[in-house]
Amino acid sequence: GENVEQHPSTLSVQEGDSAVIKCTYSDSASNYFPWYKQELGKRPQLIIDIRSNVGEKKDQRIAVTLNKTAKHFSLHITETQPEDSAVYFCAAYSGAGSYQLTFGKGTKLSVIP
Amino acid sequence: DAEITQSPRHKITETGRQVTLACHQTWNHNNMFWYRQDLGHGLRLIHYSYGVQDTNKGEVSDGYSVSRSNTEDLPLTLESAASSQTSVYFCASSNTGLASEQYFGPGTRLTVT
Repeated sequence: GENVEQHPSTLSVQEGDSAVIKCTYSDSASNYFPWYKQELGKRPQLIIDIRSNVGEKKDQRIAVTLNKTAKHFSLHITETQPEDSAVYFCAAYSGAGSYQLTFGKGTKLSVIP
Repeated sequence: DAEITQSPRHKITETGRQVTLACHQTWNHNNMFWYRQDLGHGLRLIHYSYGVQDTNKGEVSDGYSVSRSNTEDLPLTLESAASSQTSVYFCASSNTGLASEQYFGPGTRLTVT
């Protein structure tokens, strides 16, 4: 089955700096990669996703890049703000009739004012 | 507005008792999932269903069961609660189709004493 590794597990940045979270996946058949943000005590919520036929996707201050050859994808947050502080999860979706997501273990991002 | 709800939100039970956690969605989604979230492990899939009468085991299914008698509900039953099942449980649902977003419920915090 799919295996998703996520790094780093914790990340502290100064407000206004950029943050990068990296994930690798094992199943070359995986074709969809969402990122979820979970604030303390809340449910995970989708913030951005990318399909395997696209190399990069951007939405305001957040962007995701995908390297299918190397089987890794990354989340980039620019001009970080205190409200970006949360746990971020990457996930991979195997497709081929499966609707399951395999999640990374999460990255706790702290933005220091 | 369509939503996904879970009940109870908090539950304390004793070792050996049977516990059922409810999940109800009003999106008419075919796909429903149960995850547990533990520190250091991220979100791990317990069981999932792709439609009425369909249920499948996930990564950590031992000690849990589900049933799907209608589209809206996927209750999760702990047959004989164990302290190792103390966790936060999230239900999620998604539409059928490639790269459909999974929407998460608010979570149930279960403590087994």
